[in-house]
Amino acid sequence: GIQVEQSPPDLILQEGANSTLRCNFSDSVNNLQWFHQNPWGQLINLFYIPSGTKQNGRLSATTVATERYSLLYISSSQTTDSGVYFCAVRVGGTSYGKLTFGQGTILTVHP
Amino acid sequence: NAGVTQTPKFQVLKTGQSMTLQCAQDMNHEYMSWYRQDPGMGLRLIHYSVGAGITDQGEVPNGYNVSRSTTEDFPLRLLSAAPSQTSVYFCASSLRGVDQPQHFGDGTRLSIL
Repeated sequence: GIQVEQSPPDLILQEGANSTLRCNFSDSVNNLQWFHQNPWGQLINLFYIPSGTKQNGRLSATTVATERYSLLYISSSQTTDSGVYFCAVRVGGTSYGKLTFGQGTILTVHP
Repeated sequence: NAGVTQTPKFQVLKTGQSMTLQCAQDMNHEYMSWYRQDPGMGLRLIHYSVGAGITDQGEVPNGYNVSRSTTEDFPLRLLSAAPSQTSVYFCASSLRGVDQPQHFGDGTRLSIL
């Protein structure tokens, strides 16, 4: 099956710093999503981005499908950005198929 | 709207016991799914459903059963609990399939002794 690898595994920042999280995948994908799991365990969908670039406030994401990676940018980080960031992909099939998740990047933002 | 509601939030079982994790959504979503999350790993798909009466296996289905008798409910059954099933379980739903934003419940933390 497809391999989804995220880097770095852990990231520690001071409030106000910028960061880039990376998601590599081993096969062509039809769908890529980014999620944030907050320190209370809640999972929130950030982006649906099979290709191209999207921005939402201080967060933006870019997927280069031909080179099999996606990047999540966090600018001017805040303590509320702390948590685990996951990327997830769908390979082949229909949109009623399955999402495969990466192992996540643990982000800690200190005040 | 309540979104996706999971019950219970916490549960401790003994090996061999059975139980059902409940998941309900009030958004009229067609697609529902169950994941488990273990330390240091991402979420792994257990089972999913594309509509009432239709279910299919995910990546790690062994030891779990599901059914989808209504659009709103998608319960996950552990037939004979094993310590390896100690995990946090998440239910998710979306309007149609995985190419749309997935709405997650708050999770059920399950410990098997």
